Amino acid sequence: EPEVTQTPSHQVTQMGQEVILRCVPISNHLYFYWYRQILGQKVEFLVSFYNNEISEKSEIFDDQFSVERPDGSNFTLKIRSTKLEDSAMYFCAASSGTGLTANYGYTFGSGTRLTVV
Amino acid sequence: RKEVEQDPGPFNVPEGATVAFNCTYSNSASQSFFWYRQDCRKEPKLLMSVYSSGNEDGRFTAQLNRASQYISLLIRDSKLSDSATYLCVVNTGSGYSTLTFGKGTMLLVSP
Repeated sequence: EPEVTQTPSHQVTQMGQEVILRCVPISNHLYFYWYRQILGQKVEFLVSFYNNEISEKSEIFDDQFSVERPDGSNFTLKIRSTKLEDSAMYFCAASSGTGLTANYGYTFGSGTRLTVV
Repeated sequence: RKEVEQDPGPFNVPEGATVAFNCTYSNSASQSFFWYRQDCRKEPKLLMSVYSSGNEDGRFTAQLNRASQYISLLIRDSKLSDSATYLCVVNTGSGYSTLTFGKGTMLLVSP
């Protein structure tokens, strides 16, 4: 069983529509992340989240994106007005450490495939 | 400039072969290093962390050379089930464990 659960597994949306991708990390993880992978490309960092606030974000994570953890369990990524180029696999990840002084790896969810048409 | 660069691949090898993957990274402040495995259209899964002294896990051996900013992964006695894309991943050390991924090297093991 995956330790990080993502829903939906696949979402098709029309350009300009809002989408919300959901993630449920396991309870002892403190640090949460969203990454994306455009088909055939490398995995790219979007945002990290700790203590109910964004700790770091990439250039990709512009004003169209937002994250929140509204109820202490679900961790969501919202894209306000989707573009064709937002089509990608979106992975949620979680870790129990920062990895700066220890070799913590991430646990990734199985991903949501977003297709914008 | 590519931050994490890997052999482009794919590598096609027969079962039982030994295969080596190479990776270089550009950020000398990088703190942690990993090899992940990714099956087609699946999530990346941690294969092993890479330590400065080198480390081994069964048929897999990882090496790190900080001076050269070079990481390697060696797979011995390759199995059909090893077929996947191998991702070199580096913690950039910028704060909250942001990981920078290489594009990956695909491995195809044939009978």
